[in-house]
Amino acid sequence: GENVEQHPSTLSVQEGDSAVIKCTYSDSASNYFPWYKQELGKGPQLIIDIRSNVGEKKDQRIAVTLNKTAKHFSLHITETQPEDSAVYFCAAGSQGNLIFGKGTKLSVKP
Amino acid sequence: DVKVTQSSRYLVKRTGEKVFLECVQDMDHENMFWYRQDPGLGLRLIYFSYDVKMKEKGDIPEGYSVSREKKERFSLILESASTNQTSMYLCASSLRVTGGYEQYFGPGTRLTVT
Repeated sequence: GENVEQHPSTLSVQEGDSAVIKCTYSDSASNYFPWYKQELGKGPQLIIDIRSNVGEKKDQRIAVTLNKTAKHFSLHITETQPEDSAVYFCAAGSQGNLIFGKGTKLSVKP
Repeated sequence: DVKVTQSSRYLVKRTGEKVFLECVQDMDHENMFWYRQDPGLGLRLIYFSYDVKMKEKGDIPEGYSVSREKKERFSLILESASTNQTSMYLCASSLRVTGGYEQYFGPGTRLTVT
C-alpha cells in the first residue's frame, strides 16, 4: 500500500539551533503535503502545508521544501525554542485522504 | 476557527462492552475521519465519511463500525471492546474541495479497555 517514511523518529537540539525532519512518500499521485504538530495531551494541529505546484513555502521560523521528482519533502525549523518541543507528523495527500508518517519527537533543550 | 470536539477525553471500558465515541464539528465540513494513534505507529485511518449516511473503510476497520446520521456528527462504535483496542482515538474533519485536504483534529479520546 501507499506509505510515508519519516526520519528521524527522535531529534534533540539546543535552543537556537535548527531542526530538520525529512519524509518520503510512495504515491506519485500525492499532491498535498501538510505538517502537523502535536503537543502532549492534544490533537495534531496543522502548522504548514505545501502543494505539488510549489517547491518551497515559509512561515516565520518554519519552512517546508518539496522535491516531487525524488518524492521527498522536509520541515525546517530555525531558531528553535523550548515551546517547539512536540511530536511532528508529515503526511501526503491525494483524493482527499492523508497518509501519515510515524512522527518525530522533537526536544529543544534550553 | 474550526472546532472539532470529542465526547470524552478519557474512557475506561471492560472487555466485551459496546463503546461509542462521538465527534462533532462546527464548520459544515463534508469529510470526517476516525484515526487511532499508537506509539511508534503514527496515525492509522479506521473509517471515513464523505457525506451523511456514507462511510468508507480505512486501513484498519476490523472491530469497528461508524455512523453518520447528521453532517456535523460522526460516531465510532466498538461493538465488543477488546484490550487490543486500547489506544488514543482522534477524529478529524475537512472540506470536500478540489486540492483542499486540510484536516482539523479534535483533542482525542484515550480509551483503555480492561
